[in-house]
Amino acid sequence: EVHLVQSGGAMEQPGGSLRLSCAASGFNFDGYSMHWVRQAPGKGLEWVAVISGKSESTHYADSVKGRFTISRDNSKNSVYLQMTSLTIDDSALYYCTREYDSGWPNIDYWGRGTLVTVSP
Amino acid sequence: SSELTQDPAVSVALGQTVRITCQGDSLRSQSAGWYQQKPGQAPVAVMFTQNIRPSGIPDRFSASNSKDSASLTIAGAQAEDEADYYCNSRDSTGNQVVFGGGTKLTVL
Repeated sequence: EVHLVQSGGAMEQPGGSLRLSCAASGFNFDGYSMHWVRQAPGKGLEWVAVISGKSESTHYADSVKGRFTISRDNSKNSVYLQMTSLTIDDSALYYCTREYDSGWPNIDYWGRGTLVTVSP
Repeated sequence: SSELTQDPAVSVALGQTVRITCQGDSLRSQSAGWYQQKPGQAPVAVMFTQNIRPSGIPDRFSASNSKDSASLTIAGAQAEDEADYYCNSRDSTGNQVVFGGGTKLTVL
């Protein structure tokens, strides 16, 4: 059974940094691209970033490009999101997700989400 | 990146058929997927791109694409189908993912 266990959410001040982690189990981790998707309170889904199975490629939403970095450690079956220069607009529930076999943008598993609050 | 536009809210009588639409330039070259989200829960895919229905999703859910729009159809809507529905696709460059703003489906 696929599990995505997230950690790292917290309250941070504008301009600060946070690192989100997602530990995966139940599947061949390095065979799957992983995405981060976020959802501000009461708002819709916003795609954040994707990393390929062996870290060959990464892509980012324009809203986070240059500030966020997605990475993975396949030896630890984990994916990360390093967030810097945080703004209030980055406040959201961040979901770690797995890409479906057929490729992105298809997502077949979602973590429970980890809450990031950016506040003065 | 490009945008995907959805109607904010749609309602349907129990047992009737409802169509939820998604419009955007990226859909001229990219297929759309669909996600259902109930309050307090993570989204669940109800249709992948290329009209692939995920395992466990009832066949009352179907999807179609035409020109710059995509549709999710629920035939014989059930009370448990009441939720927010989001479409997504790759953007026109193929390097980003875009989500629609979501449609709140009410089953009357």
